[in-house]
Amino acid sequence: AQSVTQPDIHITVSEGASLELRCNYSYGATPYLFWYVQSPGQGLQLLLKYFSGDTLVQGIKGFEAEFKRSQSSFNLRKPSVHWSDAAEYFCAVVRNRDDKIIFGKGTRLHILP
Amino acid sequence: DSGVTQTPKHLITATGQRVTLRCSPRSGDLSVYWYQQSLDQGLQFLIQYYNGEERAKGNILERFSAQQFPDLHSELNLSSLELGDSALYFCASSVGGRGLAGELFFGEGSRLTVL
Repeated sequence: AQSVTQPDIHITVSEGASLELRCNYSYGATPYLFWYVQSPGQGLQLLLKYFSGDTLVQGIKGFEAEFKRSQSSFNLRKPSVHWSDAAEYFCAVVRNRDDKIIFGKGTRLHILP
Repeated sequence: DSGVTQTPKHLITATGQRVTLRCSPRSGDLSVYWYQQSLDQGLQFLIQYYNGEERAKGNILERFSAQQFPDLHSELNLSSLELGDSALYFCASSVGGRGLAGELFFGEGSRLTVL
């Protein structure tokens, strides 16, 4: 069965430090891959998506993610985090254009001043 | 602002009661999705409607039902409420029912508290 794993439930980084959130998926072919962010009291917002082509994708708010087929990973990165990045981040997978989205359990990001 | 509107934002009710949550999708979006988010279960997909018809079903309890109306707004009905139904209920919309199904636009949610 298709699944998506976010191994880190909580991550704490200092403001200004770099960030990497991990995401792994289990599916034979290359799925569509997404990262969503949920700020406190808000709904989820799409950060970025990967469908095909360049494996490094740029998103909003200075985030990027890299698709690595060999590792079945789609990790989210940001070179320098801001206090406003404190939120929960969800990786998501869609197997093909006709399939439903599967969300990971999320990683909650805490920012130290 | 995602363009998806959910009402009410907060709702407090008692066990055994019935509530209705309402969602207005983004203009032009034909699909509506309902999700339940709780601390212990995470984000759970409940059901999807596309242009008035049920398209996909997830972990939706029999006590819950939903529908999408001709004007494309959707309602999620929760009945015989239990304490464990306390959660944040999200509505999301997308342009189509098939294709690019992962590009969802979420509302701010309806927080349900069952006492």
